[in-house]
Amino acid sequence: SAVISQKPSRDICQRGTSLTIQCQVDSQVTMMFWYRQQPGQSLTLIATANQGSEATYESGFVIDKFPISRPNLTFSTLTVSNMSPEDSSIYLCSVRDLTSADYNEQFFGPGTRLTVL
Amino acid sequence: QQQVKQSPQSLIVQKGGISIINCAYENTAFDYFPWYQQFPGKGPALLIAIRPDVSEKKEGRFTISFNKSAKQFSLHIMDSQPGDSATYFCAASSSWAGKSTFGDGTTLTVKP
Repeated sequence: SAVISQKPSRDICQRGTSLTIQCQVDSQVTMMFWYRQQPGQSLTLIATANQGSEATYESGFVIDKFPISRPNLTFSTLTVSNMSPEDSSIYLCSVRDLTSADYNEQFFGPGTRLTVL
Repeated sequence: QQQVKQSPQSLIVQKGGISIINCAYENTAFDYFPWYQQFPGKGPALLIAIRPDVSEKKEGRFTISFNKSAKQFSLHIMDSQPGDSATYFCAASSSWAGKSTFGDGTTLTVKP
């Protein structure tokens, strides 16, 4: 299974600022996703990070608010822009490798806990 | 439109008892059904998964039961332990589409 790390693990930010979250995987994977999980809630997919091209965003999420980069098969970043208290949440990186024997399995990073004041 | 419905929202079980969490799906294109376990402050961890060509899969104390005709699947935790106290999410995906659809989660508390 893939080992995923995220930085930072948590942060407290001021309204109007931006935060970039990094996701590093210990092996090359075909698919990387970014999820948001609000306290006590389920996982909401923000976007699929595509290597070398623009991310694919889910309904309700836009690139200007959540720009995503994926420069290679092991790394991605999610930026939360112009933050408001409503952005306070846990942000999770997730991967799935379609080329592996367990191609259906999806793995999650430890998450980044963001608090916006 | 929620494609995976999970119940109950919360569950309290005595130590040694059986915990049962249910999920129902709508999309017949789904062909992979995992369960995730999440402890506070951690990311979800894959617990056990099943494909629709089998009706049951068991790994240790954890069993998935699958009913293709009813489009339902459930997680059974036998001999529940306080260490099993966590939030459990069911999910569904298809082999050709990358993303998974998650249920709303069940908070399980196992009392000693």
